[in-house]
This record gives sequence, C-alpha cells and structure tokens, in this order.
Amino acid sequence: AQSVTQPDIHITVSEGASLELRCNYSYGATPYLFWYVQSPGQGLQLLLKYFSGDTLVQGIKGFEAEFKRSQSSFNLRKPSVHWSDAAEYFCAVGAFNAGNMLTFGGGTRLMVKP
Amino acid sequence: NAGVTQTPKFQVLKTGQSMTLQCAQDMNHEYMSWYRQDPGMGLRLIHYSVGAGITDQGEVPNGYNVSRSTTEDFPLRLLSAAPSQTSVYFCASRSPGTSSGNTIYFGEGSWLTVV
Repeated sequence: AQSVTQPDIHITVSEGASLELRCNYSYGATPYLFWYVQSPGQGLQLLLKYFSGDTLVQGIKGFEAEFKRSQSSFNLRKPSVHWSDAAEYFCAVGAFNAGNMLTFGGGTRLMVKP
Repeated sequence: NAGVTQTPKFQVLKTGQSMTLQCAQDMNHEYMSWYRQDPGMGLRLIHYSVGAGITDQGEVPNGYNVSRSTTEDFPLRLLSAAPSQTSVYFCASRSPGTSSGNTIYFGEGSWLTVV
C-alpha cells in the first residue's frame, strides 16, 4: 500500500524568502504525485502534478516540485514566498490502477511573516 | 460546467442522528470517492466506487455507507452520527486510466459537526 509523509507540520518563512516543503512517499510502482493547497475554509486546489518525463515540474502560482526517485521524494519549492501563500499544503500519491485515487500526507501548514 | 457538487456545505447534527451528504458530478466520470479531512491527518479515503453498482471500502469506512445507483451520484450516509465524525468531507471524481489528462476533480467540501 502506498503512503505519504510530510515531515514538517508547520513552517514559518518571511515574505520574500524561499520555501521548500518536503514530501516522501512509499509506492511499489512508478508514482503519480501531486501537490494541493488549501486556504482556510476552502477546498483543495491542485498546484502541480507529476506523471512521467521531466522530473522538475512547474505549477501554478510560481511553485515547482522535483521528483527524485532515488530519495522517494517530491519536494515543493518556491523562490520567493508571498503573504498570500499562507495555507496548508498536501502532497499526495496516486494509484491510478484503482478507484482509490489518492493517498495524502498529513499536510504542512505554512505561515508567512511580514 | 458544474464539476463536482457537494451538498450541504455546512451541517450540525446531534449524536445519533442520520444524514446523507450528497455528491454529484456532470462529467460522466466512472470513479468517485469520499474523503474525510482531520487536522494533522490529511485526507483519508472513506469509500470509493469504480462505476454504477460497484463500491468498496477505503481506509476509514466504519460508520459510513455508500451506494452508486447512477454514474452521476455518490451519496455518503451517516446512519448514527458520532462526535468522532466531526470532520470536513470531500467528494472527488475522475475518469479511469493513467493519462496525465485524467484530472481528479474535488468538490468544495462539506463541514460537518456532530454535537
């Protein structure tokens, strides 16, 4: 069975600083990997996804993520954080051979200092 | 183009009451799922369906029932609500297959409080 670990429950960064959110997964085959963002009281928004090909994936809002098979990681990065990026971020791995679509990590809550 | 529609958005129940969270999609997706979201635990799969008439249990199915009589609808039933079922519930759908174009669509969530 697949699993996802997000080691950092909370992260605080200053506005303008760079950001890296960690995600490690466990999956027996080639994973399909996702990052979602959720603002308070809101639903989930897809930031980016990795299916195959180039291991550096560009997403919306200036985010990118790099798939590293050797490290079983899919870390999310942004070079300069904006106050509006404060939210909760979820990494997920997809098992597309079944109806149970996604397994999520526990989430990382990002706070941005002015 | 409504996508995935969940109702109600907010609900307060008393312990022991029953209710149904509705989920409908207009994209003719075969796969539909229900998740619950709890602090620090991400989203966990409750039940899922790979087509009309076919359902299966996910990670946390206890206390919940589902049925899939049509492709469009996938209701989640709480037969006797418990405070442990206080959570945010998300419905999702997608087409089968492994194409990168098979986007997963989420509803906007249903906030349920059981008192």
